[in-house]
Amino acid sequence: NAGVTQTPKFQVLKTGQSMTLQCAQDMNHEYMSWYRQDPGMGLRLIHYSVGAGITDQGEVPNGYNVSRSTTEDFPLRLLSAAPSQTSVYFCASRRTSGSLHNEQFFGPGTRLTVL
Amino acid sequence: GENVEQHPSTLSVQEGDSAVIKCTYSDSASNYFPWYKQELGKRPQLIIDIRSNVGEKKDQRIAVTLNKTAKHFSLHITETQPEDSAVYFCAGPTSGTYKYIFGTGTRLKVLA
Repeated sequence: NAGVTQTPKFQVLKTGQSMTLQCAQDMNHEYMSWYRQDPGMGLRLIHYSVGAGITDQGEVPNGYNVSRSTTEDFPLRLLSAAPSQTSVYFCASRRTSGSLHNEQFFGPGTRLTVL
Repeated sequence: GENVEQHPSTLSVQEGDSAVIKCTYSDSASNYFPWYKQELGKRPQLIIDIRSNVGEKKDQRIAVTLNKTAKHFSLHITETQPEDSAVYFCAGPTSGTYKYIFGTGTRLKVLA
């Protein structure tokens, strides 16, 4: 199993540009989520999904869109990049069948810089 | 709304000493409490977790204790080693949802 994978690893954008961060998992996990990590702020939840076709907002959803068309993939779209979106982005997934709360597996992260 | 507070933000200990990190939570219905370790430049990884039906769980040098009455849980690392240096995050689920709220992290430095 590859686990949770993310692409790209690094990205530089100009203000106003759009892009999609890719996330995939091969563990057949129902739950997937996106976090951003900023110094001193911990991990803040952007959006999450409990299954294909179902998404919901987290703590800091503004400026981001998500969709979940398959169990495996959960892309994060930046609609119009702003310097405040400079951060490290982590995708995570976990199984929810049997128990709502299980180990959450993180991807390697995407370091995004918006100029 | 739901909240998880983590203290201290930084912690320095001598090699071989113990380290304790504490988290408090606001959602009294929370029933699962994980701890994650993040080494520099790496992804967070689960190191230990506890469910609300037990008060303590140990795994070699690490342990987690839970006080549901006071709504706090703590990570204990004994006989610390240089490789324990990392950022540690607690998390708490929000009742009735699948979401995890993370604490702001504790940077642990183990001094040789």
